[in-house]
Amino acid sequence: NAGVTQTPKFQVLKTGQSMTLQCAQDMNHNSMYWYRQDPGMGLRLIYYSASEGTTDKGEVPNGYNVSRLNKREFSLRLESAAPSQTSVYFCASSSTGLYGYTFGSGTRLTVV
Amino acid sequence: AQRVTQPEKLLSVFKGAPVELKCNYSYSGSPELFWYVQYSRQRLQLLLRHISRESIKGFTADLNKGETSFHLKKPFAQEEDSAMYYCALGRGGSNYKLTFGKGTLLTVNP
Repeated sequence: NAGVTQTPKFQVLKTGQSMTLQCAQDMNHNSMYWYRQDPGMGLRLIYYSASEGTTDKGEVPNGYNVSRLNKREFSLRLESAAPSQTSVYFCASSSTGLYGYTFGSGTRLTVV
Repeated sequence: AQRVTQPEKLLSVFKGAPVELKCNYSYSGSPELFWYVQYSRQRLQLLLRHISRESIKGFTADLNKGETSFHLKKPFAQEEDSAMYYCALGRGGSNYKLTFGKGTLLTVNP
């Protein structure tokens, strides 16, 4: 009963490096989301995917790209990391919306 | 546009005291409201949904459409309630997503 699984849990990058955050869910949910969590800012939506094959920008998409690989997996890519992207990243999934989201355990990313 | 406001960044109470975490929203449609809780360095967990009108861990929340509020209440706080609490507003339809408030950090002192 894994729910939403995120990898890695921790990562340190140098400015300019690239990386991909992985997210997978086993609940057969249609929708998946990437949020970033920063102190005093709450959770802000980066990108989301309402269904397999579709992706849309959220509130803070600049500097990120996403791929909805299949119904289970939704990855977030930082092409050229910047210190402003230091944050905790949460992936989430949802079915109909009436039950809200199920969240992953987060990825703590530091860009130096 | 939809917006969620949690006016208190920090809230500190003593064990056994009542606690109320405020949440106000702005949305022109029919709102779907949630409270999420995040214990220290853990994932966010769904605490309450307004649609279910349930009580979880002694917490309740009532949707007041006139005041556009969804405040979270508990009559007697416990130390294990110390956590970050987020109010969230959902918009229905095919592009379903939640808008979160900035959160309130609740500390329950012994």
